[in-house]
Amino acid sequence: AQSVSQHNHHVILSEAASLELGCNYSYGGTVNLFWYVQYPGQHLQLLLKYFSGDPLVKGIKGFEAEFIKSKFSFNLRKPSVQWSDTAEYFCAVTIYNQGGKLIFGQGTELSVKP
Amino acid sequence: EAGVAQSPRYKIIEKRQSVAFWCNPISGHATLYWYQQILGQGPKLLIQFQNNGVVDDSQLPKDRFSAERLKGVDSTLKIQPAKLEDSAVYLCASSLVRGGDTGELFFGEGSRLTVL
Repeated sequence: AQSVSQHNHHVILSEAASLELGCNYSYGGTVNLFWYVQYPGQHLQLLLKYFSGDPLVKGIKGFEAEFIKSKFSFNLRKPSVQWSDTAEYFCAVTIYNQGGKLIFGQGTELSVKP
Repeated sequence: EAGVAQSPRYKIIEKRQSVAFWCNPISGHATLYWYQQILGQGPKLLIQFQNNGVVDDSQLPKDRFSAERLKGVDSTLKIQPAKLEDSAVYLCASSLVRGGDTGELFFGEGSRLTVL
């Protein structure tokens, strides 16, 4: 079965530190890739997405992610985090042309210390 | 634009009781999803509707869970009878088309269920 793995359950950083959250998926065919974010007390919202083309995609609030097909990875990065980035981050995958079902990873909780 | 509305936000019940959750998607969104998010895990799809038809309910525990989307708008998810392991947040999401084709699923704030 297709699955998504996020390497870290909880990451703690100080403000201005760089961030990289790992995400790997298991499926050999064409996929669409996403990162969603859930700020405390808020609903899940789309951070960025990759369908095709440039494997380096930029999202909102200075986040970016790189798709490396050979490694089945889609890692999320930000050069300098802020306290307001404290949230839970979910990597998700859809299998191309299979109904649009999002398969989520287990999430990574990011805590940024001021 | 109004978001996805869900109610109730919180519900506490005893095991073997029943519970129902309601979702009103964004106006005009054809696709509606119910996800279950257990603490410490990512959301898991329970059921997907396209208008008022079921597209995917392969992970819905049909012996106790049921869902409907009458008239292709609002949706209700019911659990009867509830078990302890049903304690979770139930998320409703909607999209204009099939979400995976655009990436844009809009989520509600969720209904948190505690089964005692």
